[in-house]
Amino acid sequence: KAGVTQTPRYLIKTRGQQVTLSCSPISGHRSVSWYQQTPGQGLQFLFEYFSETQRNKGNFPGRFSGRQFSNSRSEMNVSTLELGDSALYLCASSRDIQGQGGELFFGEGSRLTVL
Amino acid sequence: GENVEQHPSTLSVQEGDSAVIKCTYSDSASNYFPWYKQELGKGPQLIIDIRSNVGEKKDQRIAVTLNKTAKHFSLHITETQPEDSAVYFCAASISNYQLIWGAGTKLIIKP
Repeated sequence: KAGVTQTPRYLIKTRGQQVTLSCSPISGHRSVSWYQQTPGQGLQFLFEYFSETQRNKGNFPGRFSGRQFSNSRSEMNVSTLELGDSALYLCASSRDIQGQGGELFFGEGSRLTVL
Repeated sequence: GENVEQHPSTLSVQEGDSAVIKCTYSDSASNYFPWYKQELGKGPQLIIDIRSNVGEKKDQRIAVTLNKTAKHFSLHITETQPEDSAVYFCAASISNYQLIWGAGTKLIIKP
């Protein structure tokens, strides 16, 4: 059974640019959640998509956006990149909505460096 | 807003000893409490979870206890081994089914 796939794994951007990250969930999973992880900052929730609808959103500026396609694959976009956006972006998929008690399966993340 | 506090931020124990990590949550409606382990270079992985209708759950060397009155839950690891070295995150569900996460605990197992 294939796990959660995130692409690209590593990328370097400069301030002001934009970036799109992709997440392919486990087959049959309808929920995809995105997290930002920086050293010492734990897991900061960005948003959750379920059946193409955004269910919840964390406390991030509007520069961070996402979407989910009919095949459950998800993308997140960060526009006008800032140095502070440098982080590991993790995607997690689950069969149902994240807080309903089902296991979240995390990908290995996309490491973004902003110069 | 709702939050989960996790302590300690770093825990160093001798191999073979026990380790305990504690989390306190604020939403009295929380009913699902998972623990995730993140090894270096990998995404977090579920190791154990508990629901609010249960006070304790065990899985081999790992156990989780829940005190709903005090609104806190703890992860217990007995007979620690080098492979237990990782960052551990607790989480609690809130009323809109979102998970709220603790800040993480770096567990170091000393040989």
